[in-house]
Amino acid sequence: SQTIHQWPATLVQPVGSPLSLECTVEGTSNPNLYWYRQAAGRGLQLLFYSVGIGQISSEVPQNLSASRPQDRQFILSSKKLLLSDSGFYLCAWTPGLAGEQYFGPGTRLTVT
Amino acid sequence: ILNVEQSPQSLHVQEGDSTNFTCSFPSSNFYALHWYRWETAKSPEALFVMTLNGDEKKKGRISATLNTKEGYSYLYIKGSQPEDSATYLCAFKYNNNDMRFGAGTRLTVKP
Repeated sequence: SQTIHQWPATLVQPVGSPLSLECTVEGTSNPNLYWYRQAAGRGLQLLFYSVGIGQISSEVPQNLSASRPQDRQFILSSKKLLLSDSGFYLCAWTPGLAGEQYFGPGTRLTVT
Repeated sequence: ILNVEQSPQSLHVQEGDSTNFTCSFPSSNFYALHWYRWETAKSPEALFVMTLNGDEKKKGRISATLNTKEGYSYLYIKGSQPEDSATYLCAFKYNNNDMRFGAGTRLTVKP
């Protein structure tokens, strides 16, 4: 069966510090991968998605970036965090075109 | 502009009540409509994926309908139970990969 992992589960970082969140999927190959963020009191916002190694599409311009160095690994990064980057970050994968998305456990990021 | 609107924003019902909420989405470039159930401190859990106009899906006491021509979907819960308390998210998929989520409807079922 397929599983999706995210780490860390929680993170407290000062403004201006770098960020690296990791997501890995097991039990499948060539998944479509997604990064979402939920800011306080708001819905889920799609940040990035990837259909393959090295292929990243960005939904909104921001100080975040994503990379997919391996088929089942998706990394969310920032060089300098802003206060507005605080939120709950979810990684998700989908096996096909119209299939449902499967979400990871999420990372709660607080930028102080 | 790809706006996905969910209403109401929150809902409080008594155990045993039936309830429903709405997801509105653009009627053009439709690919699929997803419903998710999101409990506090957990990951969103997929309920339904709907792709055809007129689709009706059911899972236990929860069902959903889809109208792609007018751009809305309804989620119904029959005989609400406290364990149904969660945020219900809809997501509009407008191509192979891009999804827009609504802000969700937060349901609280009081025993």
